[in-house]
This record gives sequence, C-alpha cells and structure tokens, in this order.
Amino acid sequence: DVKVTQSSRYLVKRTGEKVFLECVQDMDHENMFWYRQDPGLGLRLIYFSYDVKMKEKGDIPEGYSVSREKKERFSLILESASTNQTSMYLCASSSSAGATYEQYFGPGTRLTVT
Amino acid sequence: KNQVEQSPQSLIILEGKNCTLQCNYTVSPFSNLRWYKQDTGRGPVSLTIMTFSENTKSNGRYTATLDADTKQSSLHITASQLSDSASYICVVSALSGYSTLTFGKGTMLLVSP
Repeated sequence: DVKVTQSSRYLVKRTGEKVFLECVQDMDHENMFWYRQDPGLGLRLIYFSYDVKMKEKGDIPEGYSVSREKKERFSLILESASTNQTSMYLCASSSSAGATYEQYFGPGTRLTVT
Repeated sequence: KNQVEQSPQSLIILEGKNCTLQCNYTVSPFSNLRWYKQDTGRGPVSLTIMTFSENTKSNGRYTATLDADTKQSSLHITASQLSDSASYICVVSALSGYSTLTFGKGTMLLVSP
C-alpha cells in the first residue's frame, strides 16, 4: 500500500526558529513535492524534487529551502520561521512512469508560528 | 495563466441525497484531471483521474465526467453518507514533464443527518 509519512501532525514554533519538516515515502518515487494549504487559497507548491539532490522552485519558495539527500526523504526547512508561515504543510510523491503522474499525499503537518 | 475554478464553494445536503460538484479549467496543454477528497485535517486522497480520451470514470458512489471541449468536469456523489463530508478538490495537470498541477480551491461538502 502506498504510504507517505510526515514527521509531525502538529508543530508549534516561535518566530525566528529554524524549522525542519520531514517527509518519507516508501514507493520508490522519483518526484517529491512540498505544498502549503491556506483557507481560501488552496494548495500552493513551494518546492519539488525530481531526483536525489535535485530541486526546483515552485510558486512560493520565498522563506523556504529543501533538502533531498536520499530518494525516499524530502525535507522542508524554514530558516527563520515567521508568523505568516503558519499553515498546513503537505508532502506528496509521484512516479515518473506512466502518463498520469498521480501524486500521493501525506497526512499533513499543521505548523503554528507564534 | 492556468486556472481551475470550482463551484459551489460550499454545499450542505441531507444524508442520502445526490449532489454534483463543478470544475472549470483553463490549463493548456491538458494532460489529465483528478478529483481528490480531503477530510478535515488530513491530506488529499485521489478519487479519480481522467485523461483526455476519457469522459467518465466511477469510483463507488463517485462518478466524474470530463468534457475536454468545454474544459469542464463534474463530480457526482450518489446516495450521500455522513462520511462524504469533506473538501473536494479538482486538480488539472498540464503536459509539462514533472507533473506540475493546477489546484482548484475546493468545494466544502457537508452531509447533514
């Protein structure tokens, strides 16, 4: 069964802290994605990676960085958390094989920055 | 600019009733369209994926239709259950390599007993 896991379901951090969000997939997928989801805005792509050590900026990369040292793990880093980064963060993965590139999502991490 | 518009924004129906959610898109070149169900506080889960050549696809009580000419899709839910209460998100993929998706903002469905 397909599985994408995220390190925390809920996280509370203070302004200025460095925050790490971890995502692991067990499907040997090449592609991994980080989104944030805010009410009224839907899902927005922050970064994605199509291979180990490769990364591409999404629509809203400012204030974030990512790391992919192993195929199964994709980390999102908030170098200095700010209150406007309070959000639901969703990780997803997909295979490069086939025509549909279906994305499988993790359960999400609700981050609150105070 | 690629866009996906969903309607209605929210919907309340009685348990056992049917409902239809709408999705209009302006994504080009079109690759496929997906419907996801997202329970509150959870990640989205795929219901259906349709490519250009498919105009209907079912998954249990969920039936999705696609009209690629008018760039419209609908998700029909039959005999609704309380567990159908969720946000339903329409997502369209363009032919751009690594699966860049355009997300709708979702329709929030509440099934009332």
